[in-house]
Amino acid sequence: AQSVSQHNHHVILSEAASLELGCNYSYGGTVNLFWYVQYPGQHLQLLLKYFSGDPLVKGIKGFEAEFIKSKFSFNLRKPSVQWSDTAEYFCAVTNSGGYQKVTFGTGTKLQVIP
Amino acid sequence: NAGVTQTPKFQVLKTGQSMTLQCAQDMNHNSMYWYRQDPGMGLRLIYYSASEGTTDKGEVPNGYNVSRLNKREFSLRLESAAPSQTSVYFCASSKDYPEQFFGPGTRLTVL
Repeated sequence: AQSVSQHNHHVILSEAASLELGCNYSYGGTVNLFWYVQYPGQHLQLLLKYFSGDPLVKGIKGFEAEFIKSKFSFNLRKPSVQWSDTAEYFCAVTNSGGYQKVTFGTGTKLQVIP
Repeated sequence: NAGVTQTPKFQVLKTGQSMTLQCAQDMNHNSMYWYRQDPGMGLRLIYYSASEGTTDKGEVPNGYNVSRLNKREFSLRLESAAPSQTSVYFCASSKDYPEQFFGPGTRLTVL
């Protein structure tokens, strides 16, 4: 069965600091990978996704993620965070063939201090 | 275009009571999902419906039932609520690809 691990549960950064959130998955086949963001009191929104092609994926609001197949990783990065990035971030994975049941990680809460 | 809508937004139940959470999408998506979100556990899939007329169990189906009423609507029923079902419930939908669109959630408390 596929699984997703997010090792950082709670991250606190100052504004303008760089961000990297870890995501590792376990699945032997071809995968699709996602990062979702949940701002306080809101529902999940898609930040970026990887299906195939360039392993460096750019998403909204200056976020990017790199798919490293050999490491089964899909880490999220942002060069300079803002207070408005305070949110919970979820990594998710699904197999690319057949029915697309998505498995989510447990989430990382990011708190950005002004 | 409202996307995915859920009702109610908040609900408090007593142990043993029943209720149905409603979800509707207006994006003509084939697949719909019900998740629960608990602190430190992320989102866990309760049930999903790959297409109209089909439903399947997810990771945590016990204590729940679902109905895919038509292509637009997918309801989640708690027959006899328990405190362990206190959670935030999200409905989601997707078209042919796995990118999911989420509703605003229902915050349920079972006393």
